[in-house]
Amino acid sequence: QVQLQESGPGLVKPSGTLSLTCAVSGGSISSGNWWSWVRQPPGKGLEWIGEIYHSGSTTYNPSLKSRVTISVDKSKNQFSLKLTSVTAADTAVYYCARVYSSSSMNWFDPWGQGTLVTVSS
Amino acid sequence: SSELTQDPAVSVALGQTVRITCQGDSLRSYYASWYQQKPGQAPLLVIYGKNNRPSGIPDRFSGSSSGNTASLTITGTQAEDEADYYCNSRDSSDNHPVVFGGGTKLTVL
Repeated sequence: QVQLQESGPGLVKPSGTLSLTCAVSGGSISSGNWWSWVRQPPGKGLEWIGEIYHSGSTTYNPSLKSRVTISVDKSKNQFSLKLTSVTAADTAVYYCARVYSSSSMNWFDPWGQGTLVTVSS
Repeated sequence: SSELTQDPAVSVALGQTVRITCQGDSLRSYYASWYQQKPGQAPLLVIYGKNNRPSGIPDRFSGSSSGNTASLTITGTQAEDEADYYCNSRDSSDNHPVVFGGGTKLTVL
């Protein structure tokens, strides 16, 4: 079964760039699904960041679009997130997830375990 | 509208039935999916599509939809069902393709 694992620095300085990678195991990233990033600030709800298809097509949350880049590396079976100009408001647990999507439904399964990224000097 | 609205908190007596609702315009076009999240854990898919449960999810969890409202029903609620529950759907507008509800904290009394 497919498993996802996030990795990257747990601490990023203000105005810096947050960079995370999601490694996909047990299946191919070229399987026909989209792959997504979702974050959750401490004590708050889930916020969708964006998604990518293995072809490289992307969709982003409009509120983050100017700062977000999601990319895919099929050779390594992984996808990545870059978020620029970070502030304390970007402190959150960041999750990656596989997306199933059709004309009438959309769901995320499975999810990675999540990684806490703190923005602080 | 690209928002999904959930009640912040709901409580239920052990063994009773509880319904958690999610409202939003996008639900007129898309089925909601539902996620259970316990403290310190990643969200877990419990319902997707019209009323589908992933393997391993107990059949006491069910989903339904009417108009702009989706519902997650737990029949015979167990203590281990105490968690935060989030709904999610796509949005037909290009302005916000994917939305999550704000979450409902379920307390089992």
